[in-house]
Amino acid sequence: NFMLTQPHSVSESPGKTVTISCTRSSGSIASNYVQWYQQRPGSSPTTVIYEDNQRPSGVPDRFSGSIDSSSNSASLTISGLKTEDEADYYCQSYDSSNNWVFGGGTKLTVL
Amino acid sequence: QVQLVESGGGVVQPGRSLRLSCAASGFTFSSYGMHWVRQAPGKGLEWVAVIWYDGSNKYYADSVKGRFTISRDNSKNTLYLQMNSLRAEDTAVYYCARLPRNWGQGTLVTVSS
Repeated sequence: NFMLTQPHSVSESPGKTVTISCTRSSGSIASNYVQWYQQRPGSSPTTVIYEDNQRPSGVPDRFSGSIDSSSNSASLTISGLKTEDEADYYCQSYDSSNNWVFGGGTKLTVL
Repeated sequence: QVQLVESGGGVVQPGRSLRLSCAASGFTFSSYGMHWVRQAPGKGLEWVAVIWYDGSNKYYADSVKGRFTISRDNSKNTLYLQMNSLRAEDTAVYYCARLPRNWGQGTLVTVSS
């Protein structure tokens, strides 16, 4: 099975831009869609990006997703940071054997 | 709107069994694959199992294979997770999810003597 590796934590100031990476250990990052979930303390996860770069309705366009085959990684970029963006963020993907995998999560601090 | 409501969590002794349910509404349940995802206290998300829209295929995480069984009743719009031979490390909030779009609120399972 493959793994998805994320930084444990990132921090940035309000109004700035932050990027969270998600590196796939084996298999191509481009082979299967990557999703990103936001989880605020005490709440269920919510989807901020699906199918690599699609935003659900209601998610502001400050959130964007991309993949980079050269580094075999996906990225979540949040621009114009707000204090309400402070949360844990998880990437997720799967493989052809129907192994569904989450990254370890990244704690975003907006200070 | 889509709603996923889990139930059936609680405190159970090691080695015992528990069945979780997830009542779905707001979408055509029988058209979608469904997942269980869990989160141990203070830890990250862990995928548990997936079942195809018609129940024809089921896949499990290695950590639960042979002990947990995912099933569904499309006539009742309900997803299930039968958990047998429970261990302390199965203690977690269990989420029902229509990945990648919708999540339930979760139900807490505590395995303790």
